[in-house]
Amino acid sequence: KNEVEQSPQNLTAQEGEFITINCSYSVGISALHWLQQHPGGGIVSLFMLSSGKKKHGRLIATINIQEKHSSLHITASHPRDSAVYICAGGTGNQFYFGTGTSLTVIP
Amino acid sequence: DSGVTQTPKHLITATGQRVTLRCSPRSGDLSVYWYQQSLDQGLQFLIQYYNGEERAKGNILERFSAQQFPDLHSELNLSSLELGDSALYFCASSPGVAGYNEQFFGPGTRLTVL
Repeated sequence: KNEVEQSPQNLTAQEGEFITINCSYSVGISALHWLQQHPGGGIVSLFMLSSGKKKHGRLIATINIQEKHSSLHITASHPRDSAVYICAGGTGNQFYFGTGTSLTVIP
Repeated sequence: DSGVTQTPKHLITATGQRVTLRCSPRSGDLSVYWYQQSLDQGLQFLIQYYNGEERAKGNILERFSAQQFPDLHSELNLSSLELGDSALYFCASSPGVAGYNEQFFGPGTRLTVL
């Protein structure tokens, strides 16, 4: 069993839809990271959360420490949001990555 | 542009060879992380350096080693290369040492072992 599990693995949405990607973790972490990887391969850090909720533009990330669960929401999705979204849990000396969610937003 | 640079962009080599990947962190960042992303394993944490000292170790093979120099750039050395070492290697930097710091990723080095 992976320390960090993501769902769904693949997601196809129509432009404008509200999207949710889930991440559950089984290890004690100090922070949960959400990353975005575009088809070209580059990785961008979207959020780093240790509690509560963060918002950046159309993206919202939440974390529930007690339930060991985080969600990434995209409101009013757009084709440029098509990418792989990866969650990662950071402890003091390790990083555990989910396998990623491949999102395709269709115009 | 994250401010993190990696060279080379692409590297093609043969089994048994040795290569060095280089990473320059963002100005002011003291931590450098190395990650491997292969098709079958996804992203894996290899190693972290903070201000020249090894800070944390992940799934790094004994054939691999890294160091961080006084100017804070870092190098990842891969030796006795095998076909399975073909992957994208990313470095990332952050200002602090802990896992709750935001990380800024370089563009990656694509290594192909033939």
